[in-house]
Amino acid sequence: DTGVSQDPRHKITKRGQNVTFRCDPISEHNRLYWYRQTLGQGPEFLTYFQNEAQLEKSRLLSDRFSAERPKGSFSTLEIQRTEQGDSAMYLCASSLAGGPKETQYFGPGTRLLVL
Amino acid sequence: RKEVEQDPGPFNVPEGATVAFNCTYSNSASQSFFWYRQDCRKEPKLLMSVYSSGNEDGRFTAQLNRASQYISLLIRDSKLSDSATYLCVVKARPPAAAAGNKLTFGGGTRVLVKP
Repeated sequence: DTGVSQDPRHKITKRGQNVTFRCDPISEHNRLYWYRQTLGQGPEFLTYFQNEAQLEKSRLLSDRFSAERPKGSFSTLEIQRTEQGDSAMYLCASSLAGGPKETQYFGPGTRLLVL
Repeated sequence: RKEVEQDPGPFNVPEGATVAFNCTYSNSASQSFFWYRQDCRKEPKLLMSVYSSGNEDGRFTAQLNRASQYISLLIRDSKLSDSATYLCVVKARPPAAAAGNKLTFGGGTRVLVKP
């Protein structure tokens, strides 16, 4: 399968713990996005990388959240001191830079439950 | 007010019938428009891009009205497999050449096709 992959697919943690998610984009894609989706809502943008550079962060991304893409390939999203409000599906998407018709392809997501 | 608004539904549709629904967007600088489909507990998948002149892909027809800032999707001859949440997605013109094309999602319209 050459699509976007995410790991783990599910994570249950206790409030206050740190969690880290991984995203492997489609291999030739230079852009990588993280989104968060809560029940009954559409995905909301969190942050974006072009190659290894993090170029944009949403106001939704509090100081407890950090994302990296060290070699311009896979990316990690870490949440420190998790809160119950962090419970959501975390989606990664990748694309090849190419103007307005650029298409983002989504991974299966990591579903986080904070108890 | 949300940037992209959709009727959450559900739209209960008899198999074989036609269903249509809209979304409205508030950012007049929006550049590109898409419909994504999301099945329960799955990732969003691109259904179709929406062009100013309107476009059709099989049983699906998308229209864009820039003056009124709304996008529509029409599904003809509905199949049971069309049951899903349809996400209206808007991409604004990025402020700089290297800026990403983050997607802004509506909350989704749920469609249930019944025999």
